[in-house]
Amino acid sequence: AQSVTQLGSHVSVSEGALVLLRCNYSSSVPPYLFWYVQYPNQGLQLLLKYTTGATLVKGINGFEAEFKKSETSFHLTKPSAHMSDAAEYFCAVVADGNQFYFGTGTSLTVIP
Amino acid sequence: ETGVTQTPRHLVMGMTNKKSLKCEQHLGHNAMYWYKQSAKKPLELMFVYNFKEQTENNSVPSRFSPECPNSSHLFLHLHTLQPEDSALYLCASSDPTGTRYNEQFFGPGTRLTVL
Repeated sequence: AQSVTQLGSHVSVSEGALVLLRCNYSSSVPPYLFWYVQYPNQGLQLLLKYTTGATLVKGINGFEAEFKKSETSFHLTKPSAHMSDAAEYFCAVVADGNQFYFGTGTSLTVIP
Repeated sequence: ETGVTQTPRHLVMGMTNKKSLKCEQHLGHNAMYWYKQSAKKPLELMFVYNFKEQTENNSVPSRFSPECPNSSHLFLHLHTLQPEDSALYLCASSDPTGTRYNEQFFGPGTRLTVL
């Protein structure tokens, strides 16, 4: 069975500080991993994804994530937070077919 | 209109009402999905359609009834709902045969309130 755990339902950072959002997954087969962002009153937008190949994945808006198989992790980072990064972030895993398993989300607040 | 659209964006209904949510995708995809998003809970997959055929029904109560008349349109018919059904309902689509396999594109959602 597949599952996703996002540590920290709320994360606050100062503008310009490092953003680190944690995601750990469990999967019985090699997974595809995703990060989605949800702005208020909007649907989910894909930030980045890992399927195969390079384990450091770069996404939109300066975000990146690293797939670490030994740690079963796929943490999302951004070197310098911007006010516009305030949103809800969801990690997801796909291992069988096309079914996504989402985490409970992390709400990011950016403090001016 | 591009991407995935959903109407209405907001819906308030009584427990005895019948209403329908509509989703339309303009991406040429062949798979469509309904998700329920409640506060503090993971997104719950409700239904999956591949090439207009329902391939997944995750133990959803019968008061929710999906319909997929073609690959571009997906409906969720609602009747005799309960207050705990209040949530954001998200539609998504994907192209399981294309190069962007497994990437799902989401609509903005319908915020449903059941009184």
